Amino acid sequence: GDSVTQMEGPVTLSEEACLTINCTYTATGYPSLFWYVQYPGEGLQLLLKATKADDKGSNKGFEATYRKETTSFHLEKGSVQVSDSAVYFCALRNSGGGADGLTFGKGTHLIIQP
Amino acid sequence: NAGVMQNPRHLVRRRGQEARLRCSPMKGHSHVYWYRQLPEEGLKFMVYLQKENIIDESGMPKERFSAEFPKEGPSILRIQQVVRGDSAAYFCASSPDSGNTIYFGEGSWLTVV
Repeated sequence: GDSVTQMEGPVTLSEEACLTINCTYTATGYPSLFWYVQYPGEGLQLLLKATKADDKGSNKGFEATYRKETTSFHLEKGSVQVSDSAVYFCALRNSGGGADGLTFGKGTHLIIQP
Repeated sequence: NAGVMQNPRHLVRRRGQEARLRCSPMKGHSHVYWYRQLPEEGLKFMVYLQKENIIDESGMPKERFSAEFPKEGPSILRIQQVVRGDSAAYFCASSPDSGNTIYFGEGSWLTVV
């Protein structure tokens, strides 16, 4: 079945540091890929997405490129802020067959220190 | 356009009671999904519904859990005879159709005491 693997956390960085959160996937067909962010005590918000190979999703300074050859969708940001502290979830959606929902990674807790 | 609305946001139940969680999808969305997030874990798919139909319930526990999405009104996730292990955040999500972006509600936090 489909699966998503993302780096274990917590990841602790200083403000203005560069961020990379690795995400790789296993899926049949051509899934769409997503990053969701969850702030403390809140629900999931869509951060960015990419629907086909070589697409780059971007939002709020975050970027991720759909790499089919390496089955990866790493999340990057050049300069993080304290307000970026949250849990980040990589997910895929494979609409083939009856199962139409998202498959999530376990989440990466990001902590940004001032 | 209101987002996915879930209520209650927080629910406390004693062991053996019933919990009912409600979800109103975004306007125009006919696909509803329920996910469960246990403490310190990721989200696990539970069930996928369209109006009046359960499409995929492969993630639902075999006993005590049920879901519906009637023709009129919100989707309901029902947990009978709750146990402490049911304590979790339950997230509802919706999309307009298959293959489109899925949007999440803010979640319902169930605590079983």
